[in-house]
Amino acid sequence: SQQGEEDPQALSIQEGENATMNCSYKTSINNLQWYRQNSGRGLVHLILIRSNEREKHSGRLRVTLDTSKKSSSLLITASRAADTASYFCATAPGGFGNEKLTFGTGTRLTIIP
Amino acid sequence: KAGVTQTPRYLIKTRGQQVTLSCSPISGHRSVSWYQQTPGQGLQFLFEYFSETQRNKGNFPGRFSGRQFSNSRSEMNVSTLELGDSALYLCASSDRLGGSSYNEQFFGPGTRLTVL
Repeated sequence: SQQGEEDPQALSIQEGENATMNCSYKTSINNLQWYRQNSGRGLVHLILIRSNEREKHSGRLRVTLDTSKKSSSLLITASRAADTASYFCATAPGGFGNEKLTFGTGTRLTIIP
Repeated sequence: KAGVTQTPRYLIKTRGQQVTLSCSPISGHRSVSWYQQTPGQGLQFLFEYFSETQRNKGNFPGRFSGRQFSNSRSEMNVSTLELGDSALYLCASSDRLGGSSYNEQFFGPGTRLTVL
């Protein structure tokens, strides 16, 4: 079963604009991660935010986490055509010995050149 | 370091057959997890192996099984294939240094299984 939902399911923006995707989850977590997937290929890890962190940056990516609302957002600034992909959030219960990730439903991002 | 590799990349089988998929983790990674991705159910956790032992298991029937070898390579097997088993099967490896609880996972390209 899916841990949560991502919103929107699909997003199309012009190149150079910012893209924001949201993720909601249901249970307590140790950390939340964002992954990118290009056209049915493997997933690429983008960023990890711990449950005691509120915001994290990596290059053009900015992730926020609100554990009280059980939600996270991923912002991609100055989008490029190469950012076209599906983006998934994944929650981790944490604790040594538990590698299970529970994925959201994903947002399909299309960057229009 | 080489990334996670999965073989074969594509596979076509018929109902009732069995299939074995292989995954080689990143060198030094001892944890290997398997996920199934379908358009209807999304990404779902199958199981995870660490040092040849299954540590976690998802909600899949017993037809889905796996194992891990001493070199950390892993295989998953699906017996008595059903049409609904058509999916992208993804393998991921991770490296827990010093007991860290932050489990970034590195995914392979996947094996696309089609059941006819």
